[in-house]
Amino acid sequence: GQSLEQPSEVTAVEGAIVQINCTYQTSGFYGLSWYQQHDGGAPTFLSYNALDGLEETGRFSSFLSRSDSYGYLLLQELQMKDSASYFCAVRALFSGGYNKLIFGAGTRLAVHP
Amino acid sequence: NAGVTQTPKFRVLKTGQSMTLLCAQDMNHEYMYWYRQDPGMGLRLIHYSVGEGTTAKGEVPDGYNVSRLKKQNFLLGLESAAPSQTSVYFCASSYSPWTDGRPEQFFGPGTRLTVL
Repeated sequence: GQSLEQPSEVTAVEGAIVQINCTYQTSGFYGLSWYQQHDGGAPTFLSYNALDGLEETGRFSSFLSRSDSYGYLLLQELQMKDSASYFCAVRALFSGGYNKLIFGAGTRLAVHP
Repeated sequence: NAGVTQTPKFRVLKTGQSMTLLCAQDMNHEYMYWYRQDPGMGLRLIHYSVGEGTTAKGEVPDGYNVSRLKKQNFLLGLESAAPSQTSVYFCASSYSPWTDGRPEQFFGPGTRLTVL
């Protein structure tokens, strides 16, 4: 089967850096995505890693190590508006030749002044 | 562009009632998905479609049916609602990963369903 693990909650202060880890177990792995969801809102795409290494998009960076089945999302210069839930999602190949996303349970980030 | 839209936004059903959730996208995406989100459990895939006229089961398909008669619409049906189906339902769409490598799924605003 497939499984993803990420911390349930993380707390940080404005201006700080926070790292949200994600470990996964799956067959047919294609890549790891990260989504952000504010309370009452829809998930929105942040980043995708198909290859090992770091991908940077503004204040957010995402890292993948395929050999360790591990990735993380790094948020820098935290702002109050970054308070949200963050989901890692594995893109994997399933039967029939289709690929789908399997989501982790999410990490709730609280940013304090 | 409206992106992905869902109807209705809220609904309360009694056990045994039926309803259909509507999802529409105007991005010409091939793939469409229905997820449910419960507290502490992330998003779980109910059914998905890789093109007009095709549907397939996801992780939690029991109690739900879907149809994709037009490329832009994906319908989720509950034939006999149960309290266990109380959840927030999200529709999403994406390009085909085989013709366009972008992995992003675009989500609708969600439907909050309560079954009493």
